[in-house]
Amino acid sequence: QVQLQESGPGLVKPSETLSLTCAVSGYFISSGYFWGWIRQPPGKGLEWIGTIYHSGSTYHNPSLKSRVTTSVDTSKNQFSLKLSSVTAADTAVYYCAREKGGYYPDFWGQGTLVTVSS
Amino acid sequence: QSALTQPASVSGSPGQSITISCTGTSSDVGGYKYVSWYQQHPGKAPKLMIYEVSNRPSGVSNRFSGSKSGNTASLTISGLQAEDEADYYCSSYTTSSIYVFGTGTKVTVL
Repeated sequence: QVQLQESGPGLVKPSETLSLTCAVSGYFISSGYFWGWIRQPPGKGLEWIGTIYHSGSTYHNPSLKSRVTTSVDTSKNQFSLKLSSVTAADTAVYYCAREKGGYYPDFWGQGTLVTVSS
Repeated sequence: QSALTQPASVSGSPGQSITISCTGTSSDVGGYKYVSWYQQHPGKAPKLMIYEVSNRPSGVSNRFSGSKSGNTASLTISGLQAEDEADYYCSSYTTSSIYVFGTGTKVTVL
């Protein structure tokens, strides 16, 4: 069964860039499916951030588009998220997920809390 | 793209059935079969419970069922159990080629 694991700094300073990686096991990214990032501010709902296909095609939330960069490394079977110019509003649990056809996530990582604070 | 609308909370007694609604527009819920539902326990990642309106992934109890009418999708939990107490989110694909989540519903088992 596919498993996903997020990793990255838990604390980022305002105006800096948040960087996270999602390691995938039990499935080869290059075999297909889409791969995405979703976040959840403390006590709030879910927000889709962006999606990437193994070919490198990307789709990003328009509200974040100019700050989001996603990439995939099939040799390491992992994909990554960068969110620039962060503010306190970007404090959230960040999840990576496998997406069926880019239509909905079917498997999720456990999530990692990223706090933006000086 | 706005979040889909869900009731903030729904409650029921053990054994009862409850239904959670998820209201969107013709640009999302009403226009696609790609409506899904997620269960999230405190401190845990969301878990897929229903996909493509009414399909259950392997391992999900048949007490969970989904349906859709027009721009509103619904999740029904029958035979409510204590372990069903959690937050539930719907999701739908949209004409903008992205997917959006619902506002979330807290289910309380009385």
